[in-house]
Parts: sequence; C-alpha cells; structure tokens
Amino acid sequence: GAGVSQSPRYKVAKRGQDVALRCDPISGHVSLFWYQQALGQGPEFLTYFQNEAQLDKSGLPSDRFFAERPEGSVSTLKIQRTQQEDSAVYLCASSFGGGPEQYFGPGTRLTVT
Amino acid sequence: QKEVEQDPGPLSVPEGAIVSLNCTYSNSAFQYFMWYRQYSRKGPELLMYTYSSGNKEDGRFTAQVDKSSKYISLFIRDSQPSDSATYLCAMKVGASPDMRFGAGTRLTVKP
Repeated sequence: GAGVSQSPRYKVAKRGQDVALRCDPISGHVSLFWYQQALGQGPEFLTYFQNEAQLDKSGLPSDRFFAERPEGSVSTLKIQRTQQEDSAVYLCASSFGGGPEQYFGPGTRLTVT
Repeated sequence: QKEVEQDPGPLSVPEGAIVSLNCTYSNSAFQYFMWYRQYSRKGPELLMYTYSSGNKEDGRFTAQVDKSSKYISLFIRDSQPSDSATYLCAMKVGASPDMRFGAGTRLTVKP
C-alpha cells in the first residue's frame, strides 16, 4: 500500500450536513494538496500543506471548507453545511518536496442531495 | 476565458495510430508543464513533465512545449486500447503549489 489513499470513496450527504474526507499520503511525503474535480472538468486547487502548516488555502471556495493536517501526515477536509454545488470528486495528492511530481489518490465522490 | 484551454474531445482512433493532444494557456509565467492520465473513477497519474520549453520523450510518449505560442502537446505513438483514458494537461509557476489543469481530453483507442 505505497500509494495515496482516501476514505470514504463515496459519500452521500443531505444538504446542510457536515462531512469529513480523509487523506493518507505516501509515507515521508512532506507536501499535501487537496483538489476539487467537478464532472467533466479538470481538478481545481483548494489548499496546500507543508508538513502540518497550511501554507496556501487560496482555492477554498468558502468559509464552509476547512482542512487540517495536525501531525503532518493524515489530512482531513471538512465541509460544513453542505450545498448541492459542493457535489464533486475531492482529490488528495502528495509529493516529497514542492516539485511538480504529485501523486494522486483515487478521490472521494461527494453527492449532496 | 480559462487560463488553460483543452479540447474535451471525445477523440477516437484505431489501434496503432499516432495521437496528438494539445493545450493552450494564457499565463506566460507558467514554467512547469505536466501531462496526467486519468482512468474512469481513478485519480490522475503523472505521465511526464517538462520544465520551460522543449521536447521530452518517454517510451511511446513525447511532450512538447512552445512557450512563444503558449501551446503544449502530447504525442502518443503506436496507441493501444489500454491508452483509452482522459488526458489532462496541467501547469504551474515555479514553486507555487497551485497547479492549473485543463478540462481533459477523453481518448478512446479502438482495437
């Protein structure tokens, strides 16, 4: 199991519910990224961690989105009061340094009904 | 207008054909140019990346970057049915973590 893992793979939430999405990066990878991929589109950057520090959160679409990586390994993306427009695949990626080689997990498909 | 433009296709070719996939971009500050392959219900997988202008070859895949035209290409030689996937171009500025993706081109290689 050397790759990036994400859980759950699928999540259905009723509008207004809070959700938490988990990412386990490749062991030893310092950098961790979250992306949102809408149907038929490319991934869009949400936020970036270097170890436990969140260095860039410019892509988070609203203050309902929150991400953390408290021990510099596992990360959680939390969405509060989900809306229908939050329905998308949420991808996590990790890399050893800050270079262009990012390794993606399989994603969590979130459907808000 | 999006910062990175990519024709979504779909593109269908017979096995053995040469495939050409392209992206254009508007931000001249981009320095790294990546190509990812994404199978259905999977995460993107990095195929190759290029720094600045020039060509790079890896097996059946060749990436080209023309910064003067703001145009990048991926060529796949001797295409195989297993190459059927969505191909995403991506770009970023130096050490910035913000990688900008195209919408992806869906490719089908028919046996």
